[in-house]
Amino acid sequence: QVQLQESGPGVVRPSETLSLTCDVSGFSITSGYYWGWTRQPPGKGPEWIGSVFYTGDSYYNPSLQSRASISVDTSKNQFSLKLYSVTAADTAVYYCARDIIYGSGDIADYWGQGKLVTVFS
Amino acid sequence: DIVMTQSPDSLAVSLGERATINCKSSQSVLFSSNNKNYLAWYQQRPGQPPKLLIYWASTRESGVPDRFSGSGSGTDFTLTISSLQVEDVAVYYCQQYYNTDITFGQGTRLEIK
Repeated sequence: QVQLQESGPGVVRPSETLSLTCDVSGFSITSGYYWGWTRQPPGKGPEWIGSVFYTGDSYYNPSLQSRASISVDTSKNQFSLKLYSVTAADTAVYYCARDIIYGSGDIADYWGQGKLVTVFS
Repeated sequence: DIVMTQSPDSLAVSLGERATINCKSSQSVLFSSNNKNYLAWYQQRPGQPPKLLIYWASTRESGVPDRFSGSGSGTDFTLTISSLQVEDVAVYYCQQYYNTDITFGQGTRLEIK
């Protein structure tokens, strides 16, 4: 059974860096899937952030590409998100997920429970 | 980017009745080389992450009850719940994965009348 769990600070100050980690259990992160991050501002729909393969190959939402970085640590079976220069607009629940790539895009079949991150001074 | 627009924004249906949710994309998500629609549906119950229901516009994910069905092609899609159950109360989202700029609809809130 694939399980994902997000961890990291729940409050980040404006202009600083949001850092989250996703621990994957029950499945090897090197087993041929992409691993992604999606966020959901309070009361709004999901917004895909980006996805990474265990080799480090990654791709991002064009609107966030300049500020987002997703990396993988295969030794710990986890992957991470960094979002730089945050503002209040980055306040959201952040989800990690296992992604299935089809062509250029992907769908997410397993999700973590989500981590609320508030940008607040 | 491809804009996904759902209708209605909210819907109230009696238990056992049919619920229909629509999703329209600003450009076609039908890939001509394989004749597949790059369209998925998710269910999000309160306080929970999204759950994948349907992909390729009409293929049910493993374990999803057969009262859920998806249809449509090109730019117009529909999610149908044939007989509404209490556990179906949720927000439903469509998502296109036609290109790397993945986008979701704004969501449709489904309640019991």
